[in-house]
Amino acid sequence: EDKVVQSPLSLVVHEGDTVTLNCSYEVTNFRSLLWYKQEKKAPTFLFMLTSSGIEKKSGRLSSILDKKELFSILNITATQTGDSAVYLCAVIKAGKSTFGDGTTLTVKP
Amino acid sequence: GAGVSQSPSNKVTEKGKDVELRCDPISGHTALYWYRQSLGQGLEFLIYFQGNSAPDKSGLPSDRFSAERTGGSVSTLTIQRTQQEDSAVYLCASSPQLAGVQYEQYFGPGTRLTVT
Repeated sequence: EDKVVQSPLSLVVHEGDTVTLNCSYEVTNFRSLLWYKQEKKAPTFLFMLTSSGIEKKSGRLSSILDKKELFSILNITATQTGDSAVYLCAVIKAGKSTFGDGTTLTVKP
Repeated sequence: GAGVSQSPSNKVTEKGKDVELRCDPISGHTALYWYRQSLGQGLEFLIYFQGNSAPDKSGLPSDRFSAERTGGSVSTLTIQRTQQEDSAVYLCASSPQLAGVQYEQYFGPGTRLTVT
């Protein structure tokens, strides 16, 4: 059975800290890995990773995939209170998505 | 442009009643997904439509759940004889998936279903 595990489950930091969120997976016929940020109801897309070792960057957020060790990390530098959210990782194969349970990040002022 | 829309935004129903949840995907998106998210949990895949292909129903939790997609656009998720454990936020997403290439999914705002 396909499995996506995110760690930690929750994290509390102060503004300005750097955080690293982890996503490991056991999925056959892997196609791509996606990161989402969920603040209220609808998750919003952050990154799609298909190739190993190539970092994707957007402002203070970056992510990288390791297809050999079957994991991805999401880094957030200089965190702000607006980064507080649930961060979801999903692995895609043949259209079907398997999501992890998410990491709840709380950034305190 | 318009994003994915879902209706209703909230639905309260009595146990045993049937409910229908609607999703309008982004125009031109060929792939449509339904997920369920219980409080504090991750997203649980329910069903996936891709173009005119037969849908992947492997995530539907029971035969009380069904979904259809008319004309390759609007989709309806139906839950028959609702149970309290069906209470959750039901999220729909669409994607411009083409020829096996995976694109990101764009999510709607969800329908919060409460079964009393």
